[in-house]
Amino acid sequence: EDQVTQSPEALRLQEGESSSLNCSYTVSGLRGLFWYRQDPGKGPEFLFTLYSAGEEKEKERLKATLTKKESFLHITAPKPEDSATYLCAVPQRGNSGAGSYQLTFGKGTKLSVIP
Amino acid sequence: DTAVSQTPKYLVTQMGNDKSIKCEQNLGHDTMYWYKQDSKKFLKIMFSYNNKELIINETVPNRFSPKSPDKAHLNLHINSLELGDSAVYFCASSQALPGDANSQETQYFGPGTRLLVL
Repeated sequence: EDQVTQSPEALRLQEGESSSLNCSYTVSGLRGLFWYRQDPGKGPEFLFTLYSAGEEKEKERLKATLTKKESFLHITAPKPEDSATYLCAVPQRGNSGAGSYQLTFGKGTKLSVIP
Repeated sequence: DTAVSQTPKYLVTQMGNDKSIKCEQNLGHDTMYWYKQDSKKFLKIMFSYNNKELIINETVPNRFSPKSPDKAHLNLHINSLELGDSAVYFCASSQALPGDANSQETQYFGPGTRLLVL
């Protein structure tokens, strides 16, 4: 069964300590991979979409990369305000509706950046 | 200026009651969604509507009935609420459908409705 797996489940970093979050997928025929950020008590906020292996996108301290099996979200010199849960998602064929896709989310990585 | 809004933000009710959650988007999008996020923070699709037509219905009990009066609104009515319905429900919208493989499929989420069934 197609699935999206994120690791680690939780990550604590000191301010300025760079690291990476992983999102691996087994969807056949990838039709995009999405990264979202979710703050406590809020809805997911869109960060990036990647469509092709080798593609990279950057936004401030975040850089997302994509291979044929996984995506990484690199966080360079994080700040406390980067603390959030980071979700990745891929379109997957739904159980209803011919040819329709749904966005399937991983369980997220909860990032805590300590001052 | 809120792009996707939901009401109410909090909903506390007794088991067996019927309740509705409303969603509105002012982005001019054609597709809207309902997601459920459980206590473990797992976000799962429930329904999607494209141009007011139901596209996705993901094994959701028929106590849940979405209604789209127009492209900007997607409401969720829940009958005979159960304890297991307690969760955060998110509405989202996008211009294109997932899997269209273009930037217009990006989904934008509302702030969520926190439902607690006692």
